[in-house]
Parts: sequence; C-alpha cells; structure tokens
Amino acid sequence: DIQMTQSPSSLSASVGDRVTITCRASPDITNYLAWFQQKPGKLPRLLIYSASTLQSGVPSRFSGSGSGTDFTLTISSLQPEDVATYYCQRYNSVPFTFGPGTKVDIK
Amino acid sequence: EVQLVVSGGDLVQPGGSLRLTCAASGFIERNYYMSWVRQAPGEGLEWVSVTYIGGTTSYAESVKGRFTIFRDDSKNTLHLQMKGLRADDTAVYYCARAPYSANYRGVIDLWGQGTLVTVSS
Repeated sequence: DIQMTQSPSSLSASVGDRVTITCRASPDITNYLAWFQQKPGKLPRLLIYSASTLQSGVPSRFSGSGSGTDFTLTISSLQPEDVATYYCQRYNSVPFTFGPGTKVDIK
Repeated sequence: EVQLVVSGGDLVQPGGSLRLTCAASGFIERNYYMSWVRQAPGEGLEWVSVTYIGGTTSYAESVKGRFTIFRDDSKNTLHLQMKGLRADDTAVYYCARAPYSANYRGVIDLWGQGTLVTVSS
C-alpha cells in the first residue's frame, strides 16, 4: 500500500529556531521527493525537489535530505514568513501522493 | 507571463457533471506533464490526475472511472471532465505544471490559482 506520512502534524517554534519535519514514504521512492510550502489562502510553492535540491529563489535556510523511505525538511533559522503548512510529495510513479502536511507556527 | 488560469468551478448537485479548464500562457502546455490536484476545505493536498507528454493519463483511485483529463493543444488548455460527482469531491481544484527534464523529472513547479467545486443538493 502506497503511503506518505509526515511528523509532526504541527509544531510551534520561536523565531531563529531550527525546525525539522520528517516525511516517510512507503515503498521506496529513491529521491523522487518534493517539499511544498502553502501559506494560508495561497498557492503551494515548490521548495525542494529530488529530495535535496533547492528550487530557484527559495531562501537557503531551507534544506532537504534523505533517500529511499526517510526524508527531512529543515529550516535552519525559522522566520515569521515561514508560517505555513508544509507538504511532501512522491513523484516517482503514480499515484503522486502528498503527505498529510505539517503546520508550522511561531511560538 | 508564465501562468495557469483555472475556471469552471461551480455548485453542482450530487450525481452531476462539470468541466474544469486550465488555460496555459507563456509556455506550451503539451510539452509538460500536467496534473490536477484538489484541496477540500481545511484539508491537505490530494493528487487527482496527470496527463503525460504524449497523452497517457493516470488517476487517483478515488476518481477513476468518473473523471477524465484531456488536453486541447490547439488552445493550449487542459481540462478535467467530472461526472458522477459526490459530496466528497467538494474542493478547490488546482491545475499544475510539471516539467520533465534531467533535473525536474516531473515535479510540479507551477500552480494555477484554483477553482472551487461544491457538490451539494
């Protein structure tokens, strides 16, 4: 059964904190993993693709890592404008399932 | 300007039909994978369907047999024909572009603004 899970489902952190979000894929997707940011009322925005490649124009405080089944999105220093929900997505083969999302707030 | 403009959302009764349109500008849509993604109110993103370069299509299990994705290359547009609509199809529907290259390999890099489909009696 194809599944994408994320943890935590939500988090609250202070400005300047390091934030890590985990995405687990089943089965193995090698590195066909993308991360999207969606701010309230806005379109999703591509942050990371191929698990670790930063999309053009995305701040360098965002980074991605992992391969196979376990992936992480890290924000090295959380900023107020990073308040959003973050989704991972597999795109190696259909279905191109999204994770359930992680909502990030400022403490 | 490179953009996707989505239209066609409406209030429709259960069992009804609706066609969504996604107009591409600033690029040739037939050279890209094109997907539909939906988001129910207050919920997460759900992939719905994709059409590959060359016309092959795939669907999420939840819409298979009810939805049809197709392109109109003469108008640089993408469509989603929906029939047998159910209450759980209520969502904002986005179209999305995915370039297939050595780097991008089919990841979504551009989203249309979305259109609301409400299925209710």
